[in-house]
Amino acid sequence: DIQMTQSPSSLSASVGDRVSITCRASQSISNYLNWYQQKPGKAPNVLIYAASSLQSGVPSRFSGSGSGTDFTLTITSLQPEDFATYYCQQSHTTPPTFGGGTRVDVK
Amino acid sequence: QVQLQESGPGLVKPSRTLSLTCTVSGGSINSGDYYWSWIRQPAGKGLEWIGRIYFTGSTESNPSLESRVSMSVDASKNQFSLKLNSVTAADTAVYYCAGFRGVLTATAFVLFFDLWGRGTLVTVSS
Repeated sequence: DIQMTQSPSSLSASVGDRVSITCRASQSISNYLNWYQQKPGKAPNVLIYAASSLQSGVPSRFSGSGSGTDFTLTITSLQPEDFATYYCQQSHTTPPTFGGGTRVDVK
Repeated sequence: QVQLQESGPGLVKPSRTLSLTCTVSGGSINSGDYYWSWIRQPAGKGLEWIGRIYFTGSTESNPSLESRVSMSVDASKNQFSLKLNSVTAADTAVYYCAGFRGVLTATAFVLFFDLWGRGTLVTVSS
């Protein structure tokens, strides 16, 4: 299986901050990388697919970059509704695997 | 708008079989647009893909669970189902059904989980 490693595992930030989360794959996955947001008690929701494509309806403050093994999710100006846990997921190889998650909470 | 809803027992005894059903509404399970999937999440932990089934009935499972997993589609009810046998406490989790959809980009056909049910908690305990 391809291992996905996210960092940091948690971070504290304030509204308006720029936040970056990284995801590293154990082998090259080209751009087969997706990002999800999950709020407590809810299912995940896709934000970014194919490393950098913004899912319809997702605010433009979310962006993704990277290719190969290293990827980044950036939130340019954190909003109150963005405090959540974020997961990366690779779809290069079956089984699809997820990172361990990054929890973003209030500083 | 396609929606998913899981149903099934919330409590399963150890060594028994966990059975869940996902009902698809707002669209046809036979559309071919999605690989119908199961994902689970133990409390406070990350996400684990269990497996997927296409409307044709072809399946693929996580090798870590493959020997215990079976999946099926009932097109007449617009439902797909999961069975996980010989469960233990380690199988206690929130189980999600999900739709895995592909998008053709400039360089690749990329699959992602586009649809999710609300999730159902299954506890394995005697």
